[in-house]
Amino acid sequence: EVQLVESGGGLVQPGDSLRLSCTASGFTFSGVAMGWVRRAPGRGLEWVSGISTTGTNTYYADSVKGRFTISRDNSKNTLYLQMNSLRVEDTAAYHCAKGDGGRRGLDWFDPWGQGTLVTVSS
Amino acid sequence: QSALTQPASVSGSPGQSITISCSGTSSDVGGYNYVSWYQHHPDKAPKLMIYDVNMRPSGVSNRFSGSKSGNTASLTISGLQAEDEADYYCSSFTSRITWVFGGGTKLTVL
Repeated sequence: EVQLVESGGGLVQPGDSLRLSCTASGFTFSGVAMGWVRRAPGRGLEWVSGISTTGTNTYYADSVKGRFTISRDNSKNTLYLQMNSLRVEDTAAYHCAKGDGGRRGLDWFDPWGQGTLVTVSS
Repeated sequence: QSALTQPASVSGSPGQSITISCSGTSSDVGGYNYVSWYQHHPDKAPKLMIYDVNMRPSGVSNRFSGSKSGNTASLTISGLQAEDEADYYCSSFTSRITWVFGGGTKLTVL
C-alpha cells in the first residue's frame, strides 16, 4: 500500500524557518516525481512545489519562490520542504503527493498524504 | 499565476447529474491536455478522480467523467450519491512550467 506521511509542522512566528518531511513507502520512491500542495484555512488548494526523480529539476509557485526549497533523499525515501522567511499567509495544511503524468511526471498527484499543519502567527 | 475559475458551489439531488466547470486560459487549460480533478472530503487527503482531461484512475466510479472545450474543462458526476458531497478542485499544467489549481467547488447533495 502506498503511504505518504508528513511531519514537521507547527506554530512559528513570521520570519522563522521550518522544514517539512514526507516519508514514503509502498512504491519505488526514487522512480517518481513528488510535489507539495497546501490548503490554507477556508481556502482552496494551492500548488507549492515539485521535484523530479533525481532532484535535478525543481519547480516553485511564485508565492514561495526564493523562500522555499524542495529536496529529496532517495536513500531515505523522504521528501523535504525547507521553508524560510515564513509569512502569515503561508499558514496552511501542507500535503505531499506522488506525482505522475506528463513530461515531468507532475501533471497529476496520486495519492496524497494527510498533511501537516503550519501556523505562522505572532 | 491566477487560480483557475470554478463555481463556488453546485448542488443536486440523489440520482441527478451535475457538471462543474473549470475556466482557464490558452496558457493552461486550453493549451494542454493535462487537466486533473480532485475530490476532497473534510479531514481527509484529496483524492484523484480524473487525469489527462478525461481519464479515470482505477477504482474511481464511472459516474465521474471529464471533458474539455477550449479554455474550459468540466467534471460531470452522474447518478449523484450522498457520498459525493465534497469539495472538488481542478488543476492544470501551465506554460510557465508550474501547476495551478482552481478555487474549488463545494458540491451539496440535497
